[in-house]
Amino acid sequence: SQKIEQNSEALNIQEGKTATLTCNYTNYSPAYLQWYRQDPGRGPVFLLLIRENEKEKRKERLKVTFDTTLKQSLFHITASQPADSATYLCALLMDSSYKLIFGSGTRLLVRP
Amino acid sequence: EADIYQTPRYLVIGTGKKITLECSQTMGHDKMYWYQQDPGMELHLIHYSYGVNSTEKGDLSSESTVSRIRTEHFPLTLESARPSHTSQYLCASSASGVSYNEQFFGPGTRLTVL
Repeated sequence: SQKIEQNSEALNIQEGKTATLTCNYTNYSPAYLQWYRQDPGRGPVFLLLIRENEKEKRKERLKVTFDTTLKQSLFHITASQPADSATYLCALLMDSSYKLIFGSGTRLLVRP
Repeated sequence: EADIYQTPRYLVIGTGKKITLECSQTMGHDKMYWYQQDPGMELHLIHYSYGVNSTEKGDLSSESTVSRIRTEHFPLTLESARPSHTSQYLCASSASGVSYNEQFFGPGTRLTVL
């Protein structure tokens, strides 16, 4: 079955730097790969997605890349701010399914 | 903020009690989902619904049951709560006709069974 690996260790960076988070998956490439943000005690919030046939997607300070050969997506936050501190979840949507498969997330801490 | 609501936000109850976790959305979404999430762990799908009178079990086995009598309402019931049911329960919804299935989540219910 499909498995997702996200770094379980928190990423601790200085304000203004670029944060890079990794999502690796096994088996088949998903039709879509999505990224969500989750704050403590809250539900996840959708950020952006990338399709199987896309290499890169941008939205304001966010950038996602997708490498189906490496079975990996990278999520970048440029000019990071303390308000970006949260847990970031990767989720896969397999073709012909409406069910998302979530990773356990990586916690990001941005120091002022 | 997504228009999806969950009540109660926190619930502490004793073993053996029957409980119902409420979930409502005002976005007219056909698809609704229940996830279970333990601290630092991934979300596990326990139930989903593609529309009224449609319910399916998810990938994680759960002793809970759900119903979908109205589009906007998707309650989850535990007939007899046990300490192993202690977890965070998240409800979500998504629109039909959207291939990438962006999901909108409620704030969650933190359940503690003593």
